Amino acid sequence: DGGITQSPKYLFRKEGQNVTLSCEQNLNHDAMYWYRQDPGQGLRLIYYSQIVNDFQKGDIAEGYSVSREKKESFPLTVTSAQKNPTAFYLCASSISPDSRGHTEAFFGQGTRLTVV
Amino acid sequence: AQTVTQSQPEMSVQEAETVTLSCTYDTSESDYYLFWYKQPPSRQMILVIRQEAYKQQNATENRFSVNFQKAAKSFSLKISDSQLGDAAMYFCAYRSWTTGNQFYFGTGTSLTVIP
Repeated sequence: DGGITQSPKYLFRKEGQNVTLSCEQNLNHDAMYWYRQDPGQGLRLIYYSQIVNDFQKGDIAEGYSVSREKKESFPLTVTSAQKNPTAFYLCASSISPDSRGHTEAFFGQGTRLTVV
Repeated sequence: AQTVTQSQPEMSVQEAETVTLSCTYDTSESDYYLFWYKQPPSRQMILVIRQEAYKQQNATENRFSVNFQKAAKSFSLKISDSQLGDAAMYFCAYRSWTTGNQFYFGTGTSLTVIP
């Protein structure tokens, strides 16, 4: 079945460590996104990528980094520079907006990151 | 950037009754997409319904329907015959047809269904 997979579901990080969240999709989507979700704040965009080897900062990119070496994969690294990384992280993918059809974002099941 | 506003942080509805969730958006574009997503306690984001701005007819999906008022930039979600499984956080989202690939989300409405 086609879909988007995030791993791990739960992740614990010690202060000062970098951690990488995985996101893989087999939907053949060009665009991929990372969102952070905190209580009462909805979804905030961290980074997005429209094509391989290209990505753009979203609204809250500081302290995060990404790569897009393959169409299927868009990993997110939470660096030690991110002051408050404890949150729920959602990865999504979609087709181009000018395509007729299912232009919605398809989401993974999320990763809960906790700093200990 | 476009903004999406959900002015109702929390709503409640009696089981089997109807409830309407509000959403407004700000844009200067004429072509775009609008979506409603449901996020249950599992936190999986589930598409409820989509609307293309060029379509005048309001979208419906079983018990879910929208009232799309393009001139007023309003996109409300109506849930009929509410069920306990409808209890969730609901997010309204906007996507441009042409400029960029971003989705813009509202802050969500938490829906409680009362048995």
